[in-house]
Parts: sequence; C-alpha cells; structure tokens
Amino acid sequence: SQLAEENSWALSVHEGESVTVNCSYKTSITALQWYRQKSGKGPAQLILIRSNEREKRNGRLRATLDTSSQSSSLSITATRCEDTAVYFCATDASNTNKVVFGTGTRLQVLP
Amino acid sequence: EAGVTQSPRYAVLQEGQAVSFWCDPISGHDTLYWYQQPRDQGPQLLVYFRDEAVIDNSQLPSDRFSAVRPKGTNSTLKIQSAKQGDTATYLCASRSTGNQDTQYFGPGTRLLVL
Repeated sequence: SQLAEENSWALSVHEGESVTVNCSYKTSITALQWYRQKSGKGPAQLILIRSNEREKRNGRLRATLDTSSQSSSLSITATRCEDTAVYFCATDASNTNKVVFGTGTRLQVLP
Repeated sequence: EAGVTQSPRYAVLQEGQAVSFWCDPISGHDTLYWYQQPRDQGPQLLVYFRDEAVIDNSQLPSDRFSAVRPKGTNSTLKIQSAKQGDTATYLCASRSTGNQDTQYFGPGTRLLVL
C-alpha cells in the first residue's frame, strides 16, 4: 500500500485562482516533501517541511503539516499557466533518508 | 553547479535484451536513489545508496535488476532480461544527507520494451 497518497487525481483551475493539493501518509517521518513534475522532466522539489514545523512558505506556495492526522497540504496562490504539472508529496522516513512518493495530483491551470 | 546527469535519455529494447542506465550525481552528494516511474504514476523507489553501500534494495526485482555504486560517485542500474512490464522512466536522484537537504533529480531515461 502507498505510504503517501495525494487525495485528488486531477484538479483544474483558471489562472489567478488558488488551489490546494492534499496528502495523507502512513509512516513515521522526519519530513514531508512536495515536488512538481512537468512533462518530460524529473521531479523538482518545491518545499521540504520538517516534522517539527507546521507551515512553510516558498513564494506563492504554502505547505502545512499535521503530524497528528498524518496529513499535509500544498496551496498555490495566484496560479499561472506554467504551474500546470503533476504535484507529488513524498515521505522522508525517520532516520533513514528513504523517500517514498505518492501517486500525484495532475493540476491544469487554464488561461 | 552541474545537476544530476543520466544516460542514455531513451532506450528501446526487445523482451529478453539487457540494458544499463548510468547516473552521475551532484558532486559531494553522498546519497543516490534510483526510481522507476511507470506512465501516469509516481516515482517508485528501487534502491538507494549512501556512498558505495546499498541502504535499501527491497523493491529491486533481484532476479533481473542490479545496481552498483562502486566508488560512491557514479552509479549503474542494469536490467538483465527486460520485460514489457519494465517499460517506464528510470530516474536517478542525489542528495547530501548531512542536513536532510534537497533531493535533486536527473531528467530520467525513458525505456520502452517491445
């Protein structure tokens, strides 16, 4: 079974709108990572949020982490067409540096 | 700073053929990961190394797949006898684990097994 899982297969928004991708996980972690993958490219890390952090920001991106419910979210504000990509959460397992990815949420930002 | 490089970028094989993928991580990164990403799925961890040592290869199909990192720098992933189910993109990533730093991915090798 998946150790990490995004809650939506696909989302679609219009440019300028905000969107949130949710993730649930099933293992003890030292950190939760969010990645973006564009077509034909390798994943690129957006945010790494450690288990003792509740929120982290990176420009238009905001990640939250709730270790009690084993869930995380990634919010993107003022979306742009270039935000169109697949978004993954990945668990960074405690003390091992083992990184396991979810199945991904496909985000389409329409003009 | 150069990123993670992989070669070849594409490979097309008949079932039963062998293929090797090569990865050059970012200089100084002690941890190296190999992932398999089937179409429309998330990357699935196959094996990872810290320096030259295998830390976890529990998801590597050991009868046909092998991976080495002999000097703790470059790495090779080999499929001995490819099957159609091996069709996927093979991604390499590296990381410096001192501060649980960012994991950087290469562009991947797209494998098609006919």
